[in-house]
Amino acid sequence: NAGVTQTPKFQVLKTGQSMTLQCAQDMNHEYMSWYRQDPGMGLRLIHYSVGAGITDQGEVPNGYNVSRSTTEDFPLRLLSAAPSQTSVYFCASRLGQFTEAFFGQGTRLTVV
Amino acid sequence: DAKTTQPTSMDCAEGRAANLPCNHSTISGNEYVYWYRQIHSQGPQYIIHGLKNNETNEMASLIITEDRKSSTLILPHATLRDTAVYYCIVRQRYNTNAGKSTFGDGTTLTVKP
Repeated sequence: NAGVTQTPKFQVLKTGQSMTLQCAQDMNHEYMSWYRQDPGMGLRLIHYSVGAGITDQGEVPNGYNVSRSTTEDFPLRLLSAAPSQTSVYFCASRLGQFTEAFFGQGTRLTVV
Repeated sequence: DAKTTQPTSMDCAEGRAANLPCNHSTISGNEYVYWYRQIHSQGPQYIIHGLKNNETNEMASLIITEDRKSSTLILPHATLRDTAVYYCIVRQRYNTNAGKSTFGDGTTLTVKP
């Protein structure tokens, strides 16, 4: 069991570039989420999914797209990177509504 | 989801109990209280959760007041490795937004020798 795997671990982008942050889990969890964490701050919810084919917006969805074509994968797409999107991005998954969430180790993104 | 309020920071002596409070005065009857912690900017780690009864596991105890408006996470014998940011969150059940879990800024616990 690898748990929640995020790739890449580090990434530097130029303003205006696009990229996809990958998140995969091998625990057959229905619920998956993406968070961003700015320096010295808590986590803010970007997008989440309650199952394959179902996604919804969180607190800070602007500038990001998601899709959930399989239970295992929940990629996060940055459409046109901006310096304000410099952050650490965490993906999380959990089995059901009331079970604990498992987090990946994060992707550290810098936009210059 | 109900909003939570936590102190920004707390200190605790190594070997002593760490008591971390959380206020969730607007909690409704169908919301659970969850605690997570984050060490050194790693991914957050689940600690414990509860609805209205006190809960205990190998990591910690969770004490929820009778009116459920506040709770306390207790680390019975804090070690230096317990230094982390601790997040208290509430989550609704049977809700279309059940996939959401929103985190606040948490409490930075520093365990000192």
